[in-house]
Amino acid sequence: QQPVQSPQAVILREGEDAVINCSSSKALYSVHWYRQKHGEAPVFLMILLKGGEQKGHDKISASFNEKKQQSSLYLTASQLSYSGTYFCGTEKPGGTSYGKLTFGQGTILTVHP
Amino acid sequence: EPEVTQTPSHQVTQMGQEVILRCVPISNHLYFYWYRQILGQKVEFLVSFYNNEISEKSEIFDDQFSVERPDGSNFTLKIRSTKLEDSAMYFCASSVGLATDTQYFGPGTRLTVL
Repeated sequence: QQPVQSPQAVILREGEDAVINCSSSKALYSVHWYRQKHGEAPVFLMILLKGGEQKGHDKISASFNEKKQQSSLYLTASQLSYSGTYFCGTEKPGGTSYGKLTFGQGTILTVHP
Repeated sequence: EPEVTQTPSHQVTQMGQEVILRCVPISNHLYFYWYRQILGQKVEFLVSFYNNEISEKSEIFDDQFSVERPDGSNFTLKIRSTKLEDSAMYFCASSVGLATDTQYFGPGTRLTVL
């Protein structure tokens, strides 16, 4: 079962904030966030492992609530370079499931000047 | 900075033909993956590979697909008899470890089946 991302699309002006959510119906071991620009490969942003963990670099951060089986990506003071499609990839615990990322359908983020 | 490379960048083939997509993972990485992305859709897991064996495969990865590490650097995906619905971007990825480790994606090969 793929994780569900919301919203499907976000339009921002430079400097505005956004939150992208990723929810799963199954227990999760980790959540991986990627950004993909049109015609390019997904670029790794961050991994969240433990329940309640928060990570961040620059103005992009994320949280992972293991009990709720959901993760949120926070983009603050958005820049034009943040535009792209954001995917969460979830990893289930157990055996050969490790490393198998199941991606959500993506959230299209557009930042305007 | 080390990166995953893939060749060719674009492959056009006729339905029923065999194609081999090539990847060179990052040199100290031990785990290798293939994903595909149909135009406008999400990225889908195909297969993971470690120690010259398939670790996990998805329902998409049927008998028409195979993977191989023919030497110490290349990792290949073969599609034996391509179908129209195989048209997609195919991404190779690699990671040092398995669980929770960062997977670095290559630039992709766009496969077009006519």
